[in-house]
Amino acid sequence: DGGITQSPKYLFRKEGQNVTLSCEQNLNHDAMYWYRQDPGQGLRLIYYSQIVNDFQKGDIAEGYSVSREKKESFPLTVTSAQKNPTAFYLCASSIRGFSTDTQYFGPGTRLTVL
Amino acid sequence: AQKVTQAQTEISVVEKEDVTLDCVYETRDTTYYLFWYKQPPSGELVFLIRRNSFDEQNEISGRYSWNFQKSTSSFNFTITASQVVDSAVYFCALIFSGSARQLTFGSGTQLTVLP
Repeated sequence: DGGITQSPKYLFRKEGQNVTLSCEQNLNHDAMYWYRQDPGQGLRLIYYSQIVNDFQKGDIAEGYSVSREKKESFPLTVTSAQKNPTAFYLCASSIRGFSTDTQYFGPGTRLTVL
Repeated sequence: AQKVTQAQTEISVVEKEDVTLDCVYETRDTTYYLFWYKQPPSGELVFLIRRNSFDEQNEISGRYSWNFQKSTSSFNFTITASQVVDSAVYFCALIFSGSARQLTFGSGTQLTVLP
């Protein structure tokens, strides 16, 4: 079955630690995205990538880093520089990354900083 | 600047009632796309519909219908004969032509359908 997988589903981190969230898709989509969701709010874009080895910052990129070494994979690292990392993180992909393309979402990772 | 407003934070209805979720948007672009997503308790966002700014035809899909009115910058979503499984957070979102970047999301409406 084609889709987007994210792991782990729940992640706990101690303050000062970096953690990496995994996102994999087998939809053969070119573009991938990372969003952050806080309670009672909509999603906000962290980073996006339209092609392998290229990515762009979204509105809230500070304290986060990404890589896109393979078309299928777009891992997100939450660094210790992110002041308030506790949130729900959603990965998405779209076929080409154009505004006409629908973004499809994975099941999300809930990160809690202890 | 773009903005999407979902003024209804929470709505509760009894099963089989009809319910309309409101979405009002702001954009200076003439070409844009509007979306509705459903987020059940599991957390995954499920795509429901996409409309472009040149197509104001209303759409019906089973119990779901969408009313797009450019004159009032609104893209409302109606669920007919609601069911308990419709309980979820519903998001309206906007992206303008030429933007490869991001969807601008509203803050969502929590719909609870009571048995």
